[in-house]
Amino acid sequence: DADVTQTPRNRITKTGKRIMLECSQTKGHDRMYWYRQDPGLGLRLIYYSFDVKDINKGEISDGYSVSRQAQAKFSLSLESAIPNQTALYFCATSGFGNEQFFGPGTRLTVL
Amino acid sequence: KNQVEQSPQSLIILEGKNCTLQCNYTVSPFSNLRWYKQDTGRGPVSLTIMTFSENTKSNGRYTATLDADTKQSSLHITASQLSDSASYICVVSAVTTDSWGKLQFGAGTQVVVTP
Repeated sequence: DADVTQTPRNRITKTGKRIMLECSQTKGHDRMYWYRQDPGLGLRLIYYSFDVKDINKGEISDGYSVSRQAQAKFSLSLESAIPNQTALYFCATSGFGNEQFFGPGTRLTVL
Repeated sequence: KNQVEQSPQSLIILEGKNCTLQCNYTVSPFSNLRWYKQDTGRGPVSLTIMTFSENTKSNGRYTATLDADTKQSSLHITASQLSDSASYICVVSAVTTDSWGKLQFGAGTQVVVTP
């Protein structure tokens, strides 16, 4: 079984809808991250969490919110989706040291 | 401006040939540099990590080099295989006070290996 899982893997939605992307991990890591990937750009950090009570904004947090429900679960919400949020979204985890382990990604399309 | 620039953007090579990917960075103060491989439809997976004092690191047919003085790294793929077709991402970590090491990602080089 994969160490970092994301659901859904693909989602098509309409402008203005609320969307939640979920991430679960079995690696026992405290640190979890949400990134988005756009063609021609590097991964950009949306939010990160170092433990259940710690949530931090990344470089592109506007329009997004997160919830760390447990050590193993970190969800990303788009309160009112807009077309320029169409992207590939990755969840990642890390333990001691900064190697990050990525989930398989969620392809989100906002029409 | 992105602090990690990769070149070329894409390349096509014949199976069995070698190729070299480049990464230039301006991230400072430097902590370490990783190369990740991202297969289509999957998340990135770490190939190598190098710290300031290391200038070469190998992982099978992948060899990474680092010149911390010129802030350049390369990833060399030897005897390419069809399974090497992927995007290769250079990721540089800066030293931060919280010891996390904020990561800066390059846009990646898309490698296509043809039979």
